[in-house]
Amino acid sequence: KAGVTQTPRYLIKTRGQQVTLSCSPISGHRSVSWYQQTPGQGLQFLFEYFSETQRNKGNFPGRFSGRQFSNSRSEMNVSTLELGDSALYLCASSLGLAGGTYQETQYFGPGTRLLVL
Amino acid sequence: QQPVQSPQAVILREGEDAVINCSSSKALYSVHWYRQKHGEAPVFLMILLKGGEQKGHDKISASFNEKKQQSSLYLTASQLSYSGTYFCGSGSSNTGKLIFGQGTTLQVKP
Repeated sequence: KAGVTQTPRYLIKTRGQQVTLSCSPISGHRSVSWYQQTPGQGLQFLFEYFSETQRNKGNFPGRFSGRQFSNSRSEMNVSTLELGDSALYLCASSLGLAGGTYQETQYFGPGTRLLVL
Repeated sequence: QQPVQSPQAVILREGEDAVINCSSSKALYSVHWYRQKHGEAPVFLMILLKGGEQKGHDKISASFNEKKQQSSLYLTASQLSYSGTYFCGSGSSNTGKLIFGQGTTLQVKP
């Protein structure tokens, strides 16, 4: 079974631009979660999508948004990029059978490394 | 709220043991443990879903004390392959969220 894939793997943008990242979950998984990883901050939860609906949300500004398609693929968008948005963005998929990711194994993709100049 | 992990970093020699702790200020329904090697995606180690539950495979095991709202990961007779950053995730049945700690960096030297 293919794992979680993320595209692109690396991205360089300048302040003020916007960016869209893509995540394809494991076949059969209906939940996709997004995390931001920066040194010293660990994995910061952005949001989770299940059946094309945002089921949970972290404490990030509205510049961070996402969506999920009917095939469970998900995209994350960051508008008006700031220097502090430079990070590794990870997505993780799970079956989505429970009412959230709190009791399911999550499978992470390799991440997209975003550098904002 | 993000769970707190301790220690932040640990250096071991091969064959030594280590304990990584994860504590939360809020009630825990579940605890997840992941390991991430440099430049790679986090990899699932185990989930503990009940208070008092203990799990393990190979020489890595974990316990979950629901009353104390904490979990511990035990690495026995560490191997070079154990090096990486370990993350605990605290799960809440109220919110459905899984929130990760800041990570513990483990380095095993020959």
